[in-house]
Amino acid sequence: DAGVTQSPTHLIKTRGQQVTLRCSPKSGHDTVSWYQQALGQGPQFIFQYYEEEERQRGNFPDRFSGHQFPNYSSELNVNALLLGDSALYLCASSLGTVGYEQYFGPGTRLTVT
Amino acid sequence: AQTVTQSQPEMSVQEAETVTLSCTYDTSESNYYLFWYKQPPSRQMILVIRQEAYKQQNATENRFSVNFQKAAKSFSLKISDSQLGDTAMYFCAPIFAGGATNKLIFGTGTLLAVQP
Repeated sequence: DAGVTQSPTHLIKTRGQQVTLRCSPKSGHDTVSWYQQALGQGPQFIFQYYEEEERQRGNFPDRFSGHQFPNYSSELNVNALLLGDSALYLCASSLGTVGYEQYFGPGTRLTVT
Repeated sequence: AQTVTQSQPEMSVQEAETVTLSCTYDTSESNYYLFWYKQPPSRQMILVIRQEAYKQQNATENRFSVNFQKAAKSFSLKISDSQLGDTAMYFCAPIFAGGATNKLIFGTGTLLAVQP
């Protein structure tokens, strides 16, 4: 049973560019959440997707957007990249939207130069 | 505001000994869930244990157990028989479910080093 997978593993982009990160949830899971983890800090919630809709959003600007597909996989898009967007981006999946265990993928390391 | 505090930035323990990591939180909600996650140097975030606030019995998973004190808003993690593989950053992360959410709110973490 495959766990949560993310691609790519590492990414280097230039300021002002756009990036798309991808996530496939654990088999049987229908909810995907995205987190940003800056170096030396705990992860911060970006948003959550369920039934192809954004259900809740953290304190992130509109430059951060996402999508969930019918197979429950998800994408995170970041436009107009800033140096401060450099971080580890974690995807987590769960079965259900409230209080369920979330299982994390290995993350995508984004470096903005 | 809902806050999570881990007051021990770093801890060290000898192999085979027991260590307790502290976590306190602040919320006005009565319905919530509490989690501990570990993040080893590989950066993979791994679920350690889950506790539901309405349950009085403390959760246990093999060598890991919690001491949940709801009135004190405290949720500590006890690791028994520490192993070298337990070396990691440990995060306390509640979900305050009043907003029908699955949003984890992470503390600042405790870096645990298990010494041989």
